[in-house]
Amino acid sequence: SQELEQSPQSLIVQEGKNLTINCTSSKTLYGLYWYKQKYGEGLIFLMMLQKGGEEKSHEKITAKLDEKKQQSSLHITASQPSHAGIYLCGADRNAGNNRKLIWGLGTSLAVNP
Amino acid sequence: EPEVTQTPSHQVTQMGQEVILRCVPISNHLYFYWYRQILGQKVEFLVSFYNNEISEKSEIFDDQFSVERPDGSNFTLKIRSTKLEDSAMYFCASRGGLRQPQHFGDGTRLSIL
Repeated sequence: SQELEQSPQSLIVQEGKNLTINCTSSKTLYGLYWYKQKYGEGLIFLMMLQKGGEEKSHEKITAKLDEKKQQSSLHITASQPSHAGIYLCGADRNAGNNRKLIWGLGTSLAVNP
Repeated sequence: EPEVTQTPSHQVTQMGQEVILRCVPISNHLYFYWYRQILGQKVEFLVSFYNNEISEKSEIFDDQFSVERPDGSNFTLKIRSTKLEDSAMYFCASRGGLRQPQHFGDGTRLSIL
């Protein structure tokens, strides 16, 4: 079955440092989504990528989807304590009328002031 | 900004009891989903709902589970006879179209004793 692998599983960075989180699939993705989850809370939508080679940015966060639509990266520039949380990648499992999301395990990010 | 709301935020129930988790999706959204996340594990798809019927359900979604959209605004998940292993965070999500992201509620933490 199609799986999403995220790396690293956890990350501790000093405030101000840049970081990258990766999400890899063995199969072509129909849509790739990044969410942020604060511990024990809901999922906050960050970005959606649907086209090969697509790149989107919002504030200090940039997400990219490779040309083959099998790998995505999330890059945070000049990290801040407010960036701390769990980052999840989710992907549309199919192109039909359902498009449930399958998920990576998440990357736990801590930012030390 | 419109958001998905879920109630209750935390539900504690004796094993074997019935629980109903409630969700109010974003108005004008057409696709509705329930996911769950057992502590420390991946978010798992349970069921999708479109055009007043289930469009897909996972293996987890057995005969003990049911969903309803009784009044055009609420979207409920019922577990008829809860088991210990049903303890998890349950998330409701909705999306306006298949090319739009899913928006999630803050979740209901279900604890079965």
